[in-house]
Amino acid sequence: KNEVEQSPQNLTAQEGEFITINCSYSVGISALHWLQQHPGGGIVSLFMLSSGKKKHGRLIATINIQEKHSSLHITASHPRDSAVYICAVILYNNNDMRFGAGTRLTVKP
Amino acid sequence: NAGVTQTPKFQVLKTGQSMTLQCAQDMNHNSMYWYRQDPGMGLRLIYYSASEGTTDKGEVPNGYNVSRLNKREFSLRLESAAPSQTSVYFCASERGTGFLTGELFFGEGSRLTVL
Repeated sequence: KNEVEQSPQNLTAQEGEFITINCSYSVGISALHWLQQHPGGGIVSLFMLSSGKKKHGRLIATINIQEKHSSLHITASHPRDSAVYICAVILYNNNDMRFGAGTRLTVKP
Repeated sequence: NAGVTQTPKFQVLKTGQSMTLQCAQDMNHNSMYWYRQDPGMGLRLIYYSASEGTTDKGEVPNGYNVSRLNKREFSLRLESAAPSQTSVYFCASERGTGFLTGELFFGEGSRLTVL
């Protein structure tokens, strides 16, 4: 079993829909990252969380440390949000990282 | 401001050849990382450097060596390339030291094929 599990693997939505991507992990962590990988391959960091909730524009990320779970929400989705979203955890007490396999999001106009 | 620059962007090697992937950042970041990304496997951390002069192994370090030449540069060397090292390699940097404290900045990736 992978240490970081994402769901769903693939997600297709209509423009304007509310999107939720989930990340569950089985290891002790100090922080969690949400990354976005564009179709061209470039990777952009969206959020780093160690507790609670963060919001940036239409993106919201939450983390529940006790339940070992994080969610990434996209409100009013747009075709330009189409990308692979990757959850990554920082293992507790060092800089080693484990990644989820990614969620491929396609938003149709 | 170039951010994180990786070279080369593409490389084809024969089994047994050696090569070095170069990474440089101009953001005065302390931490730097090398990852590989394979279809169906996702990203995996190869090596990282929390500060100038220090390097540590990540999840998949076998077959690789690294050098943190100075604060700006972090190179990844394949001494004897194998087909299993065919992958896309990403370098990243982050301002923290010791424990990740913020945003990661990624290079554009280097696609390596080993025949």
